[in-house]
Amino acid sequence: IAGITQAPTSQILAAGRRMTLRCTQDMRHNAMYWYRQDLGLGLRLIHYSNTAGTTGKGEVPDGYSVSRANTDDFPLTLASAVPSQTSVYFCASSDEGDTGELFFGEGSRLTVL
Amino acid sequence: EDQVTQSPEALRLQEGESSSLNCSYTVSGLRGLFWYRQDPGKGPEFLFTLYSAGEEKEKERLKATLTKKESFLHITAPKPEDSATYLCAVANQAGTALIFGKGTTLSVSS
Repeated sequence: IAGITQAPTSQILAAGRRMTLRCTQDMRHNAMYWYRQDLGLGLRLIHYSNTAGTTGKGEVPDGYSVSRANTDDFPLTLASAVPSQTSVYFCASSDEGDTGELFFGEGSRLTVL
Repeated sequence: EDQVTQSPEALRLQEGESSSLNCSYTVSGLRGLFWYRQDPGKGPEFLFTLYSAGEEKEKERLKATLTKKESFLHITAPKPEDSATYLCAVANQAGTALIFGKGTTLSVSS
């Protein structure tokens, strides 16, 4: 069982470019989340989805968008990347709609130059 | 505003030297407190969930406890493989996702 798969694992991107981080889970969890992790700031929620077809904004949603067309996939898109979006991005899922225990992917390290 | 504060930021221990990590929280109705372990370059891995004051959970050398204002992660006779960053998080009554602390980085030397 793979759990949560994120791609790419690492990417260097020019400012202004569009980028989509992919996240796929095979646990049939209803809830999925995107966090960013920055040194000294910890994990911060970007967007979440409690079930397929619905999404919501987290603590730091500006500059990011998500979609949840089906249960398994939850891509995160940066429409026009900026250097402040340099970070490690983690996708997570939960079997319970009200957070419960989170299962995390291995992360996507993004550098915007 | 809901908040989670972990201390210390970093902790260095000798193998076998027991200690505790602290997680203080202010939250509008605690629905659960969670401990995670994160190894370098990896995603966080779930350790424990605590729901009410007085509750305790154990796993190998780790024991988590909970009061109305804070949680402790006690590490008994740690080994080098316990070296990691330990994250604390809370879920409130109205929230849709976990609120994380900044973590405590533990280094255990042999």
